[in-house]
Amino acid sequence: GQNIDQPTEMTATEGAIVQINCTYQTSGFNGLFWYQQHAGEAPTFLSYNVLDGLEEKGRFSSFLSRSKGYSYLLLKELQMKDSASYLCAVRSYNAGNMLTFGGGTRLMVKP
Amino acid sequence: DGGITQSPKYLFRKEGQNVTLSCEQNLNHDAMYWYRQDPGQGLRLIYYSQIVNDFQKGDIAEGYSVSREKKESFPLTVTSAQKNPTAFYLCASSPSGRTYEQYFGPGTRLTVT
Repeated sequence: GQNIDQPTEMTATEGAIVQINCTYQTSGFNGLFWYQQHAGEAPTFLSYNVLDGLEEKGRFSSFLSRSKGYSYLLLKELQMKDSASYLCAVRSYNAGNMLTFGGGTRLMVKP
Repeated sequence: DGGITQSPKYLFRKEGQNVTLSCEQNLNHDAMYWYRQDPGQGLRLIYYSQIVNDFQKGDIAEGYSVSREKKESFPLTVTSAQKNPTAFYLCASSPSGRTYEQYFGPGTRLTVT
């Protein structure tokens, strides 16, 4: 089976930087993905890591360490609209290359 | 406009009734998925289909059924056998072989009383 852990909630201040961690245990690892989901809406794809290292995309960056089973999503220059849930998902060969989602981290950005 | 549609956005049913949620996509994607999301939790895979006339059970298929008679459509039936059907249901699709590139519909919030 697969196990994905992320903090349930985080709070940060507008303009600041926040790091959302995700740890996972899986066999047949084939990529880690981050999605953003505003309350009551569908998730939208943010980033994808399959090799170790940092992927940067504007204000958002995602890091992966396969040996440690660890990833983080880094959000810079936080804006109020970044208040949302951030879902970490792992793809595994052993699960038919389907995505398994973590419980999500609800981020609240305060002025 | 290409995208995924789910209707209705809110659905109310009495316990013991079967209910079918619709999902239609015009993205020409081969693969389609159904997820369930409970408050404060992540998405759990119910069923998925990688090609027309074929579908596979996900992690929580019990009490649900699907069909994939057309590439564009992947309806989900929540049967009376599903013990806790009240949830937010999300449909998604992706190009073949690119399961990470999932495009989600707006979701249907089902309440069963």
